[in-house]
This record gives sequence, structure tokens and C-alpha cells, in this order.
Amino acid sequence: QSVLTQPPSVSAAPGQKVTISCSGSSSNIGNNYVSWYQHLPGTAPKLLVYDNNKRPSGIPDRFSGSKSGTSATLGITGLQTGDEADYYCGTWDSSLSAVVFGGGTKLTV
Amino acid sequence: EVQLVESGGGLVQPGGSLRLSCAASGFTFSSYYMSWVRQAPGKGLEWVANIKQDGSEKFYVASVKGRFTISRDNAKNSVYLQMNSLRAEDTAVYYCARDQFWRAANADILTGFDYCYYHYMEVWGKGTTVTVSS
Repeated sequence: QSVLTQPPSVSAAPGQKVTISCSGSSSNIGNNYVSWYQHLPGTAPKLLVYDNNKRPSGIPDRFSGSKSGTSATLGITGLQTGDEADYYCGTWDSSLSAVVFGGGTKLTV
Repeated sequence: EVQLVESGGGLVQPGGSLRLSCAASGFTFSSYYMSWVRQAPGKGLEWVANIKQDGSEKFYVASVKGRFTISRDNAKNSVYLQMNSLRAEDTAVYYCARDQFWRAANADILTGFDYCYYHYMEVWGKGTTVTVSS
């Protein structure tokens, strides 16, 4: 059971928009900054969003992040078939003194 | 080119030990926290441990405390994960990652925490596979 809660799967048509939610508590998302990762099994995970809503260089602005209270959201617009992957939220948990991830969300385009 | 390359994975019997290595290149290794993250078959990502730039601070997920030890050698640009008393549930692909990790005084005293934390993993290796089985 993951500390952060994500929907197991989401789907949308090419060109459409999708959001992936990540729910936590006051000791993790409520107090600390959230990051998001894209992962195709067997490959290196990729950082998509950090500090709740910032994008590393090279990540297109189709990807966006937001946070409110103890929840965070990843938004992806202009969906492409190449976006099909597993997406994870992560943050520090101040009570556990550990990094925690969501269980992952499989995106189908 | 910034790169992390893991090695040391393999097949080990339950109760056995294994030492993973991660060789870093293309950046000033001694300036960064480093993490190990794993993914068990059919499961999601699970953070395992991280270590401060000078090795003076280490954090672990509860399930590996007392069994795994993270260490680093800044002269060799390498981070290690010594895994003892291995269990079947430790079977996973193990990734090495470069952390950005720091804390700031909490502006919001209502959170109940003195500090808020910034953490993310900005560079990842391709992983090494550990299989624990008899």
C-alpha cells in the first residue's frame, strides 16, 4: 500500500487532455514539494515536474503540475501515443523521514 | 554527458548478500545527494535509500533498515548499496538516481513541522536486476 494514492489507470484519445491525481497527507504533500516521473518499464524513469509545478529543460509545456493542500495533480495536454507510460508522484515524508511515491498510474492513449 | 551506470545485480539465495554499485560521470558527484530506487516485478517505484554529499546523513525506507547500507566514495564518483539478509521481496530492478534534496524553514507554522523539504530525482540510471531465489 503506497503512502501516496494515485488512480491505477487513466485513458484519453490522442490530442485530448488528461489529469492524474496524487493524494497524500499533511506530513508529505501537505508540507513538502512534489515531483512527477514518467516511466516505461525497463528504462530509466524521467523527471517531468519538480517543486510542484516546474519543468526541467527539455520537458514540453504539455506537461504541468499543481498542488493544493494535501493533493497534487499532473496534467498532460495534446496527448500523443508516445505518452503511454506509467506516471508516479513523489515527495518527502516528514514523519517517515523518507521519500514516498504514489502507486503509479498507467496512461493509455 | 551526465550518466549513471549501475552494476552488481544478479541471482542470490534468500539470506544472502549483494553489493550494488553506481558509477557517475559528467557532473560533480560530490555536490549531490544520491538515491537508490527499486521496482519489483509488476509493482511501482519504491525509494530505498539516499545519502548526503559527504556521507554524513543517510535515510532508508523502513523495510530495508538494518539490512541495507548505502555508502559512497567521492574519489571514485560512486555510490553503493550493500544488501544483506536478502528476501524474495527484495527482487527488483534497482535504479541509482541523482537527488536534489534540501530543506527550508517552514513559513507555515500551522503544518506542525519546522521545515519543508524539496526533493526530486533528476538523473537516473538504467538499472540493475536483483533476483532473490533458491
